[in-house]
Amino acid sequence: KQEVTQIPAALSVPEGENLVLNCSFTDSAIYNLQWFRQDPGKGLTSLLLIQSSQREQTSGRLNASLDKSSGRSTLYIAASQPGDSATYLCAVRQETSGSRLTFGEGTQLTVNP
Amino acid sequence: EPEVTQTPSHQVTQMGQEVILRCVPISNHLYFYWYRQILGQKVEFLVSFYNNEISEKSEIFDDQFSVERPDGSNFTLKIRSTKLEDSAMYFCASSRFVSPTNEQFFGPGTRLTVL
Repeated sequence: KQEVTQIPAALSVPEGENLVLNCSFTDSAIYNLQWFRQDPGKGLTSLLLIQSSQREQTSGRLNASLDKSSGRSTLYIAASQPGDSATYLCAVRQETSGSRLTFGEGTQLTVNP
Repeated sequence: EPEVTQTPSHQVTQMGQEVILRCVPISNHLYFYWYRQILGQKVEFLVSFYNNEISEKSEIFDDQFSVERPDGSNFTLKIRSTKLEDSAMYFCASSRFVSPTNEQFFGPGTRLTVL
């Protein structure tokens, strides 16, 4: 059974700092990995989708990397801003479990002004 | 930009009552999903739906749950007899194709509180 883990559970940084969020998964047979942002009491906003054949995907200040064989992904946020404060979730779509996404528990990020 | 919408944003019900959660997926999307998130826990998959039938469901999606696409735009999740443990945020999602590489887009969620 696929297990997705995110470390750290919470992170607090000063504004302007570059930071890395980690996601690991136990079964490397995945089609893709999605990073989401969740604001308190709100829905999930898709940030980046990285296919299993890709190593990196970039959108603005965000860069996601994927090392499928080792079961790891990182989300790099450059020059963090207070508006980046949210919970960041990663989710994988497995080759053997249809279309479902399996989520990690998230990293709660606070960027202090 | 097209988005998934959900109504209501918050539903309060008594234990044993039936509830229907509504979703309008993105208009040209063909694949629909329900997920839920119990407070403080991970987001969990419930069911996927394609071509007017369930294509996959999780062990959570038992006989008290059902899904329907009653018309060309709405996608609903019905809980027949709610339990206290059904209290959660319910998210609808959609994707354009059935390709395994396709991105899923989520709605804002319906917070269900069962008293």
